[in-house]
Amino acid sequence: DVKVTQSSRYLVKRTGEKVFLECVQDMDHENMFWYRQDPGLGLRLIYFSYDVKMKEKGDIPEGYSVSREKKERFSLILESASTNQTSMYLCASSKPGQGVITGELFFGEGSRLTVL
Amino acid sequence: KNEVEQSPQNLTAQEGEFITINCSYSVGISALHWLQQHPGGGIVSLFMLSSGKKKHGRLIATINIQEKHSSLHITASHPRDSAVYICAVRVWTNAGKSTFGDGTTLTVKP
Repeated sequence: DVKVTQSSRYLVKRTGEKVFLECVQDMDHENMFWYRQDPGLGLRLIYFSYDVKMKEKGDIPEGYSVSREKKERFSLILESASTNQTSMYLCASSKPGQGVITGELFFGEGSRLTVL
Repeated sequence: KNEVEQSPQNLTAQEGEFITINCSYSVGISALHWLQQHPGGGIVSLFMLSSGKKKHGRLIATINIQEKHSSLHITASHPRDSAVYICAVRVWTNAGKSTFGDGTTLTVKP
């Protein structure tokens, strides 16, 4: 059974703390993504990576950084958490596109972060 | 205006009813995903399609590339189908990124 695992389902942090969100996939996927999901705003892409040590900014990268040292692991880092980063964070992975067929997305269970 | 528009935003149905959720998009795409998210849960991919029609159990997804429109149908709906259904498109210009609709919240009453 294919799996994307996020390290924490629920986190509570204080303003200014450094936060690490970990995501691991066991499908040997090249592409990995971090999204945040907020009511009324839907899913928004923060960063994605299409290979080890490669990263691309998504639509809302400000305040976040990422790390992809190994193919199976993609980490999202909040250097100094702020209250407006309270959100549900979702990791996803996929194989790269082959011609017109692009890879199906597999999502983790999500990490709900509250910043006080 | 969002590149991906879903309708309706909210939908309430009685158990057994046939349900249709629509997705319209304004960009050229290489693929379209239908996703399902249960309350408090992660997101599950239901379908990925680039043409025609796909069926899985009681779920059917269709896409019309010329009209830039896709529909998700649920036959013989059941309360366990209650969830948020999200349409996402993969645009031609950036194969790594998907653009998501705001989701349709479906409630099926027994």
